[in-house]
Amino acid sequence: SQQGEEDPQALSIQEGENATMNCSYKTSINNLQWYRQNSGRGLVHLILIRSNEREKHSGRLRVTLDTSKKSSSLLITASRAADTASYFCATDVSSYKLIFGSGTRLLVRP
Amino acid sequence: NAGVTQTPKFQVLKTGQSMTLQCAQDMNHEYMSWYRQDPGMGLRLIHYSVGAGITDQGEVPNGYNVSRSTTEDFPLRLLSAAPSQTSVYFCASRFQGSGYTFGSGTRLTVV
Repeated sequence: SQQGEEDPQALSIQEGENATMNCSYKTSINNLQWYRQNSGRGLVHLILIRSNEREKHSGRLRVTLDTSKKSSSLLITASRAADTASYFCATDVSSYKLIFGSGTRLLVRP
Repeated sequence: NAGVTQTPKFQVLKTGQSMTLQCAQDMNHEYMSWYRQDPGMGLRLIHYSVGAGITDQGEVPNGYNVSRSTTEDFPLRLLSAAPSQTSVYFCASRFQGSGYTFGSGTRLTVV
């Protein structure tokens, strides 16, 4: 079974709106990471949040982490059509393994 | 250009054939991993390595072998291809505790 599960599986919003994606996981982690994948391409690392951090920002991205609930959220503010992609959370469960969830497909309508 | 290079980009195999997917990185990353991506299932870890000469199994290692003779290269071998191995394969590398840099993938079809 997947360590990380994203919610929702698919999200459709209008350009300019905010997009929120959630990730839940099962075991203790060293850090949690978010990736973006454009159709047919490799994954691109967006942001990493360590287990002792609660919130992190990078440009229009805001990530929160609640280790007591074993959950994280990714907020994309003022979305653009170019943000259309699949977004994956990945949990660093040891020094060696990074386990990915099944992803959220985001569609930003112009 | 710095990054992770995967070859080939596309491959069609017949059931029972063997082949090697190549992966090379020029960032001196210690950690390298192979993932497969199937529709609706996200990425699943096949094998990973924490340095030259050290490899270990991930979630779905059956039917695959790896070796890491150098820091730069991490080839993935399919021993006897099966239709269930039809997938997109990604190689990735990173430093400990950092994010992965991914290759562009190999799309494999086994007929």
